[in-house]
Amino acid sequence: QVQLQESGPGLVEPSQTLPLTCTVSGGSISSGSYYWGWIRQHPGKGLEWIGYIYYSGSTYYNPSLKSRLTISVDTSKNQFSLKLSSVTAADTALYYCARVNYGSGTYSIDYWGQGTLVTVSS
Amino acid sequence: DIQMTQSPSSLSASVGDRVTITCRASQSIGSYLNWYQQEPGKAPKLLIFGTSSLQSGVPSRFSGSGSGTDFTLTVSSLQPEDFGTYYCQQSYSTPYTFGQGTKLEIK
Repeated sequence: QVQLQESGPGLVEPSQTLPLTCTVSGGSISSGSYYWGWIRQHPGKGLEWIGYIYYSGSTYYNPSLKSRLTISVDTSKNQFSLKLSSVTAADTALYYCARVNYGSGTYSIDYWGQGTLVTVSS
Repeated sequence: DIQMTQSPSSLSASVGDRVTITCRASQSIGSYLNWYQQEPGKAPKLLIFGTSSLQSGVPSRFSGSGSGTDFTLTVSSLQPEDFGTYYCQQSYSTPYTFGQGTKLEIK
């Protein structure tokens, strides 16, 4: 059973960089059948794709965040990471890491982490 | 970006009821539509992918249909554990987008 676990600071100051890491267990991040992604949910709101990465390092970023976003992968640690720079209060959200299954082109999220709440505040 | 609009935004139904949630895309997305259930305080759970394929382990009372711009999620006989918020998500073109959610309450 694949499990994903987010880690990172719960509080980030405005204008700083938000770093999050996702550790994958129960399966290899180097499996060629999946992407590894980040999704966020603003308090009481809906879901927003942030981006995703393949084990080879190829990435997709949501254009709305692209200028501030970096997603990377460390296959030796079975981890992938997110860095979001120049954060503002609008980046306060519950951040999920997830496995993206692209079988048949459906790009569905079949495994999710439990989520980590990040608050941007001084 | 493709806009996904769900209706209703909320509904209340009784155990045993047949429930239908609708998702409409702002342009045709073929069959690239997925459905999730999110219980309070939990991560979303994939129910259906590719419009009508049931994710492993999901009860058969859940079904999906549609194509193009109009899609439905149906729960044939509502169970107490089916409460929560349901989201549709298109995977036709990036950025992949979600509907705003339908909150299902059990009477």
